[in-house]
Amino acid sequence: DAGVTQSPTHLIKTRGQQVTLRCSPKSGHDTVSWYQQALGQGPQFIFQYYEEEERQRGNFPDRFSGHQFPNYSSELNVNALLLGDSALYLCASSLRTGRSGQPQHFGDGTRLSIL
Amino acid sequence: GNSVTQMEGPVTLSEEAFLTINCTYTATGYPSLFWYVQYPGEGLQLLLKATKADDKGSNKGFEATYRKETTSFHLEKGSVQVSDSAVYFCALSDQKRKVTFGTGTKLQVIP
Repeated sequence: DAGVTQSPTHLIKTRGQQVTLRCSPKSGHDTVSWYQQALGQGPQFIFQYYEEEERQRGNFPDRFSGHQFPNYSSELNVNALLLGDSALYLCASSLRTGRSGQPQHFGDGTRLSIL
Repeated sequence: GNSVTQMEGPVTLSEEAFLTINCTYTATGYPSLFWYVQYPGEGLQLLLKATKADDKGSNKGFEATYRKETTSFHLEKGSVQVSDSAVYFCALSDQKRKVTFGTGTKLQVIP
């Protein structure tokens, strides 16, 4: 049973460029959330997708956008990259049904470095 | 908005010592509470959870009790091992399923 998979594992970009990160959820999960984790900090919620729509959004500018596909996989897009976007980007999947107590399963993340 | 505050680390303990990592939260309604652990070189893993007041989550010898009156969810373990060395994150999920994490507490257990 495959867990959450993310690609690529590492990425180096320059300021002003655009990047796309990809995530496949754990089998049977229908909800995908994205987080930004700066070094030494806790994950910061970017947004959550369910039924191919953005359902919740954290305090991130609209340079951060996403998409969910019919097979529940997801992409995170970041435009006009800034130095401050350097971080570990985590994808997490969960089941929508039930209360908010459904735990999230995390991927190993994509390490994004901006030069 | 929601927030989670956990004690700053690093926390350094000798093997078999008692562990407490404090976590308090601010949220509207009745959030679910979680502890996640990140071992060196690995991703975040769920350690335990509690979904309502007075619930106790437990796993691998770790425990935490959902205290609504003090808005706390402190993590405890009676006897830590070297293999428990990791970063521990307290988190909450509100009724809209928006998850907020604390900043993490690094635990180092020495033999």
